[in-house]
Amino acid sequence: DAGVIQSPRHEVTEMGQEVTLRCKPISGHDYLFWYRQTMMRGLELLIYFNNNVPIDDSGMPEDRFSAKMPNASFSTLKIQPSEPRDSAVYFCASTTTRDAYNEQFFGPGTRLTVL
Amino acid sequence: DQQVKQNSPSLSVQEGRISILNCDYTNSMFDYFLWYKKYPAEGPTFLISISSIKDKNEDGRFTVFLNKSAKHLSLHIVPSQPGDSAVYFCAAQSAGGTSYGKLTFGQGTILTVHP
Repeated sequence: DAGVIQSPRHEVTEMGQEVTLRCKPISGHDYLFWYRQTMMRGLELLIYFNNNVPIDDSGMPEDRFSAKMPNASFSTLKIQPSEPRDSAVYFCASTTTRDAYNEQFFGPGTRLTVL
Repeated sequence: DQQVKQNSPSLSVQEGRISILNCDYTNSMFDYFLWYKKYPAEGPTFLISISSIKDKNEDGRFTVFLNKSAKHLSLHIVPSQPGDSAVYFCAAQSAGGTSYGKLTFGQGTILTVHP
């Protein structure tokens, strides 16, 4: 398996523009997570899905952020409009519920820079 | 509020010596703990975990200790190697209720192992 795939790897945009980050989870995994990494707060969970349904979006910072999972193999995280404080590395991760506790498998991340 | 805290942003150790990374948590519902390692430009990868029914788990050079009464865990790396230089994240999980599948991460500790 190729692991969790994220695109793009780097994104540079100007304030006010719409940004869309993409994720393909590991095949067969039924949980998908979106995280944001910053120096101050480390890895923050933004939202996660189970069987394509959003379970907890309490970490989404503002209404400017939205996430979708139209099918088991694809998810997007959208920021509209983007602001300089959104600059961070965004990770997608997936896991399965075969066991009660499961390690999450992370993608390589998207480094977002908003000018 | 940070439910999982890594109070040391960085740690520098000589090759061959022991590295000790610390993590504190506040939520008594957490019953499973994980350590992840992250290299630059890569996603975090799972390193080692421990259930709350244990106080120690060992895997090669890596040992995790859990002190439930103090709500504290630590990762020991012996002996430390230059290839261990990375960011280490502590994470916690609760199997119960609506938090199933969700990990709460700390801010991370940058470990540098000098040759």
